Amino acid sequence: DSGVTQTPKHLITATGQRVTLRCSPRSGDLSVYWYQQSLDQGLQFLIQYYNGEERAKGNILERFSAQQFPDLHSELNLSSLELGDSALYFCASSAEMNTGELFFGEGSRLTVL
Amino acid sequence: DAKTTQPTSMDCAEGRAANLPCNHSTISGNEYVYWYRQIHSQGPQYIIHGLKNNETNEMASLIITEDRKSSTLILPHATLRDTAVYYCIVRVANSGGYQKVTFGTGTKLQVIP
Repeated sequence: DSGVTQTPKHLITATGQRVTLRCSPRSGDLSVYWYQQSLDQGLQFLIQYYNGEERAKGNILERFSAQQFPDLHSELNLSSLELGDSALYFCASSAEMNTGELFFGEGSRLTVL
Repeated sequence: DAKTTQPTSMDCAEGRAANLPCNHSTISGNEYVYWYRQIHSQGPQYIIHGLKNNETNEMASLIITEDRKSSTLILPHATLRDTAVYYCIVRVANSGGYQKVTFGTGTKLQVIP
């Protein structure tokens, strides 16, 4: 158990819909990262937050947005969903002062029909 | 972050040592080498990291060449549960939380009974 909690574990929805994925980082971790992993693909970095502020951005679509709240949990919002958005979405967290190993949650599997 | 190159796949007999190579010839002086693994569809798991000295923990050993242009992750006695995709990444040490972490395609290790 990494200490990172993601909900929901599974989500099935239709094209055009909007979903929100939630992540609770490990206790005390200030950084949250979001990754997308499509079938048989590598981990694609989406975005990173640190103590509530966006710090790094990867290949995140404009239809996707994220935020980190004062209690440090984070949400990834996916809108106008397309079939190609079906993937595993992982959240990871890391502490501020260590050399930065990431602790990953078990992921949210999104299926868009 | 520096780019890494890993073999696409490797096999290892159960009980033998698994040696997973990684090339990071453009690594800079302040970049650490990190290894993660991902067991099928689970969240990636941190294994080990190092800067220039060899490192060992309960999971594995990390051997970094003197010029730091390559490294090898060693699983001393591979078991079937070590079958996974292994990712080698390089990243800058903590810089106040500004850490974009990019995963490549990794090495798919198959441990054979």
